[in-house]
Amino acid sequence: DAGVIQSPRHEVTEMGQEVTLRCKPISGHDYLFWYRQTMMRGLELLIYFNNNVPIDDSGMPEDRFSAKMPNASFSTLKIQPSEPRDSAVYFCASSLVSERPNTGELFFGEGSRLTVL
Amino acid sequence: DQQVKQNSPSLSVQEGRISILNCDYTNSMFDYFLWYKKYPAEGPTFLISISSIKDKNEDGRFTVFLNKSAKHLSLHIVPSQPGDSAVYFCAASDSPWDSNYQLIWGAGTKLIIKP
Repeated sequence: DAGVIQSPRHEVTEMGQEVTLRCKPISGHDYLFWYRQTMMRGLELLIYFNNNVPIDDSGMPEDRFSAKMPNASFSTLKIQPSEPRDSAVYFCASSLVSERPNTGELFFGEGSRLTVL
Repeated sequence: DQQVKQNSPSLSVQEGRISILNCDYTNSMFDYFLWYKKYPAEGPTFLISISSIKDKNEDGRFTVFLNKSAKHLSLHIVPSQPGDSAVYFCAASDSPWDSNYQLIWGAGTKLIIKP
């Protein structure tokens, strides 16, 4: 069974450009999470969805960031306009929380490394 | 305010010896704890978990101990192997079974196993 799939793996862009990161969760999972990892702040939760509905977006840094989940098999994280301080590795993860018993385990993708020049 | 703290940024251990990674938390409502391992250029992968009704959970070379009164948990790896070299994250949750589910993460500890 395929794991969480993220694209692109690497993105280099110039300041001011729009960046779109994509994620395909594991089929059947009901939760999807977007994380950002930096040296300074470690792993930060940006937003998460339950059954395609955003539950908590309080971790989204500012209005330049937006995330959507139009269906159960696809989510995007968009940064517009991008800034150098957005450079980080962005992880998508999914989980089956409704399953009982629930291990609480998140399954992560390999990440998208974003560099904004 | 960091609710989950891993105070050692790195740890170096000789191959074959025991590795002990520590994690402290401040929120007494946390009742489920997980350890993840992360290799460079990969996403974190689940390693082992423990719920607050237990004080120990073992899986092969990996054992997690939970001390609720001290709000402390530790991951023991014995014997340590070169492939264990990675960053280890501790994570906690107070609601693993409801719609507000999310994990609170520590900053990670980089474990280096010396041959």
